[in-house]
Order: sequence, then C-alpha cells, then structure tokens
Amino acid sequence: QKEVEQNSGPLSVPEGAIASLNCTYSDRGSQSFFWYRQYSGKSPELIMFIYSNGDKEDGRFTAQLNKASQYVSLLIRDSQPSDSATYLCAVLNRLNDYKLSFGAGTTVTVRA
Amino acid sequence: GAGVSQSPSNKVTEKGKDVELRCDPISGHTALYWYRQSLGQGLEFLIYFQGNSAPDKSGLPSDRFSAERTGGSVSTLTIQRTQQEDSAVYLCASSSTGTLYEQYFGPGTRLTVT
Repeated sequence: QKEVEQNSGPLSVPEGAIASLNCTYSDRGSQSFFWYRQYSGKSPELIMFIYSNGDKEDGRFTAQLNKASQYVSLLIRDSQPSDSATYLCAVLNRLNDYKLSFGAGTTVTVRA
Repeated sequence: GAGVSQSPSNKVTEKGKDVELRCDPISGHTALYWYRQSLGQGLEFLIYFQGNSAPDKSGLPSDRFSAERTGGSVSTLTIQRTQQEDSAVYLCASSSTGTLYEQYFGPGTRLTVT
C-alpha cells in the first residue's frame, strides 16, 4: 500500500466549476498535510497546508482534512484555465517529522 | 524575499562524467532537502540537512551520490560517474524549523545524461 494515494486523473472541469481532488494516506499518526501545484516543466509550488480536522479556506482554495477517515481533499472553486496543472498531495510522516511523502499527483484540466 | 535558487537550470553531461548541482535555500531556513523527479514519476526524497548535518541520507540511490552543506546555507549534490538512469529533475527545498516543515521548492536542475 502506498503511503499517499491520489487519483491520477486527468480531471477535466469546465471553467467556473468546482474541481475536487482527493488524497488518502496510510499512516494514522500523520500530522501535517500539504497541497502543491505543479505546472508542466516547473517545480512544485505550495498552495495550501492544513493541520487540524475541518476546512481551511484561502481564496478560491479550500482544504478539508478528516483524520478519522485518513483523507484530505482540495476544492478549487470558480476554476480558471490557469488552474490547469498537476496537484500533489504531501503528508508529513509521524516517524520522520521532516520527510514529506508525496502522492503521484492529480492532473487537472480546466476547459475554457 | 528571495526564494530557493538552484544552478545550473539545465545540465547535459556524458555518461561517466561527474556533475555538481547547487542549491541556495531561503535565507534563514535551517532545513534543506533534495528530491528527484523523473519523467512522469513522483517526487523521490534523496537527503535532508538540518544545519550542516545530514541525519537522513536514506534516499540516496547509490554511493555515486553525495551531498554536503556548508555554513548552514548552500548545498551541493554531487553525482559521480553519471549513468543514463540519473537523468531527472533534481529539486531542492528548504523549510524553517519552528513551523511544521512547510517546504518551499527551487526551480530545479534538469540533468540529462547522454
């Protein structure tokens, strides 16, 4: 079982719609969760982080964490063509509290 | 402020040659990480520095790979006797202790071994 799993996509949504990305993790003791956006040919860019159960909103982005179910999600509201990218879920491992475990990423395409 | 910088941005080398990749972290960040991303693959952890010490080298693929960090700042990743399977984007990230290790990435070095 992979430590962090994401649907690879591609996820195609029309402009203005909500894009919903999911991520599950295997280590129940994981404590910190991150979403990175990676444009083609570029390096990952940190866009959200969440540590507590519930929702965290930042602009058009909302991260949701449910530790009991071991999943974290990212919602992108009012999706724009510029949101087209690969979104990487990363989890801070309890045993190695500096080492991020990354999912393989979900590719999102926003259709104009 | 300035982000993480890496050099060179691209490196083409012949099989068997040695290469050095450089990372300059965000000023004040004590933790530094090297990752590798191969075409279509996920991010592979290589090594972690806290200050000048590397408590975790577990991700280095072979003894041809080494890294050092001096002055708690710049880090160099060295690959000796490069092989074609070393071709990848090498990414450096840094974070500040005292936060929960939010890591910020540099632009990467694209290494091509011919």
